[in-house]
Amino acid sequence: EVQLLESGGGLVQPGGSVRLSCAASGITVRSSYMSWIRQAPGKGLEWVALIYSTGNTFYADSVNGRFTISRDTSNNMLILQMNSLRAEDTAVYYCARSVYGGFSDYWGRGALVTVSS
Amino acid sequence: EIVLTQSPGTLSLSPGEGATLSCRASQSVSSSYLAWYQQKPGQAPRLLIYGASSRATGVPDKFSGSGSGTDFTLTINRLEPEDFAVYYCQYYGRPPQSFGQGTKLEIK
Repeated sequence: EVQLLESGGGLVQPGGSVRLSCAASGITVRSSYMSWIRQAPGKGLEWVALIYSTGNTFYADSVNGRFTISRDTSNNMLILQMNSLRAEDTAVYYCARSVYGGFSDYWGRGALVTVSS
Repeated sequence: EIVLTQSPGTLSLSPGEGATLSCRASQSVSSSYLAWYQQKPGQAPRLLIYGASSRATGVPDKFSGSGSGTDFTLTINRLEPEDFAVYYCQYYGRPPQSFGQGTKLEIK
């Protein structure tokens, strides 16, 4: 059974940084395509970032240059390093497995990041 | 970037009725790269349809997807109480990927 569990969310001040982790079981992160997708309170889904099994990475324009997606292969985890945070980054962040970099068939339960002073 | 527009924003129907949800893309997309998700309050999205018309594992055949080019449809037959939720379409071709703004299916 595939399970994804996000951690690391919380309250952070504007301009601050947060590191989200996604612990995976039932899949090997190193050989999977993995995504981060977020949802602001009461709003729709927004694609954030994607990492291919090759290590190639892609970002939404809204986070490019501020967020970094990576893998911790020794712990089978997906990482999202979020810097220079803004109020509009406030959202629940979901980790998901993306089949061949496409649709997401397994999702975590999400981690809430709140950017506020 | 491909923009997806879903309609209607809210759909009010009664159990037992059928629902038709629309997703229109700002430019033609390969039907191989269109997915539909269901999301209930407090839960993560659930994959329903990929490749515009292929049902994900475990999804009942009351859910069906169709369409090509710029116009795609999710059809739900014989609505049951558990089907009332928010539905999103997604383009997942070459990044950046994108989601529609969602259609809320509510009980009339």
